[in-house]
Amino acid sequence: QSVLTQPPSVSGAPGQRVTISCTGSSSNIGAGYDVHWYRQLPGTAPQLLIYDNINRPSGVPDRFSGSKSGTSASLAITGLQGEDEAEYYCQSYDSSLSYVFGTGTKVTVL
Amino acid sequence: EVQLVESGGGVVQPGGSLRLSCAASGFIVSINYMIWVRQAPGKGLEWVSVIYSGGSVYYADSVKGRFTISRDNSKNSLYVQMNGLRAEDTAVYYCARALDYGGGLDIWGQGTRVTVSS
Repeated sequence: QSVLTQPPSVSGAPGQRVTISCTGSSSNIGAGYDVHWYRQLPGTAPQLLIYDNINRPSGVPDRFSGSKSGTSASLAITGLQGEDEAEYYCQSYDSSLSYVFGTGTKVTVL
Repeated sequence: EVQLVESGGGVVQPGGSLRLSCAASGFIVSINYMIWVRQAPGKGLEWVSVIYSGGSVYYADSVKGRFTISRDNSKNSLYVQMNGLRAEDTAVYYCARALDYGGGLDIWGQGTRVTVSS
């Protein structure tokens, strides 16, 4: 089954802006299915950050924003903070009737 | 409070079976889309199975024919029966609720660890 591709790692200094890409295919993101983003701290369950490409659940700071175009999507984190150091995953749906996750990106705050 | 609590993990020999449970509170399992996701040690998230409100079920190719997802409306709980376990099934298993069809997963359990080893 399909997997969405993310960069293994991104880094930035406190206060900077970082972006994480999520590349899919014509059977998932390119087919029009929405993209969702999660943050996972070590030893804990993932937390929904962005749903339906651009929406933030209640309680998620507006420093996090999402976008989608074609077969890809992106998560942007502005005003980077130490607490943002975590693993981030994108997720979508595939025409093969399966949910698909990204490969994960480790964000490091320098 | 809206939450999911998994149980049933443990150590099992290759070829063995295990049933994981996921008890929900604060919402009704049967009218939601419920999902199992797993994470092998040091690896990323992998979708395992989904059961829709109408009862349709789907599985990842890696578990098809070995795992069975189900729910008990009277207990407001979700389950996954895992048979023919392999070393590569070793992971933390999470249950989660999907916002809608193909949607984001807004509620996650704390996870339960399954280790397949002789």
